[in-house]
Amino acid sequence: DAGVTQSPTHLIKTRGQHVTLRCSPISGHKSVSWYQQVLGQGPQFIFQYYEKEERGRGNFPDRFSARQFPNYSSELNVNALLLGDSALYLCASSFRGDHEQYFGPGTRLTVT
Amino acid sequence: LAKTTQPISMDSYEGQEVNITCSHNNIATNDYITWYQQFPSQGPRFIIQGYKTKVTNEVASLFIPADRKSSTLSLPRVSLSDTAVYYCLVGGSFSGGYNKLIFGAGTRLAVHP
Repeated sequence: DAGVTQSPTHLIKTRGQHVTLRCSPISGHKSVSWYQQVLGQGPQFIFQYYEKEERGRGNFPDRFSARQFPNYSSELNVNALLLGDSALYLCASSFRGDHEQYFGPGTRLTVT
Repeated sequence: LAKTTQPISMDSYEGQEVNITCSHNNIATNDYITWYQQFPSQGPRFIIQGYKTKVTNEVASLFIPADRKSSTLSLPRVSLSDTAVYYCLVGGSFSGGYNKLIFGAGTRLAVHP
């Protein structure tokens, strides 16, 4: 079975631009969560979606938004990129949003 | 969500048993304890989850005392490939709401030849 997939793998953007990151959960999983991981720190929660509805939001500005599609895949959008948005963005899927979550390989975003 | 405290780093040698202890004094009644492993530039990987007493799977054991204010992840006979960051998390299972995973800084385990 395929695990969680994310695209793209790497991305370089300029300050002020926007970016869209994509995630496909494990088949049968209905919940997707997004995390930001800055080098040397643990992942920080951004959003969780379950059955296409936002169930939770972390302490991130409104420049960050996300959505989940009918096939349970998800997009994370970040507008007006700042240098500090450079990080590894991780997507995790789970059946219902519980603590046993399965992470994808991440998207490495570099903002210059 | 309960805060966790774990050692910043640990060193071990191949073939040894490694025990990483996590403190979670404010754990709530419905909180589970979950451990994740992360290699550089990869997403965290679920290792084990437990509520009380002892849980064992093919890669690790999790020991939880009766008061549940701490837990110990035990890795038997570590190898070089076990060098990674290990995160301890506590929180409730899905109960109609949601469960964000709160990661701390983790424990950096270095296994030496």
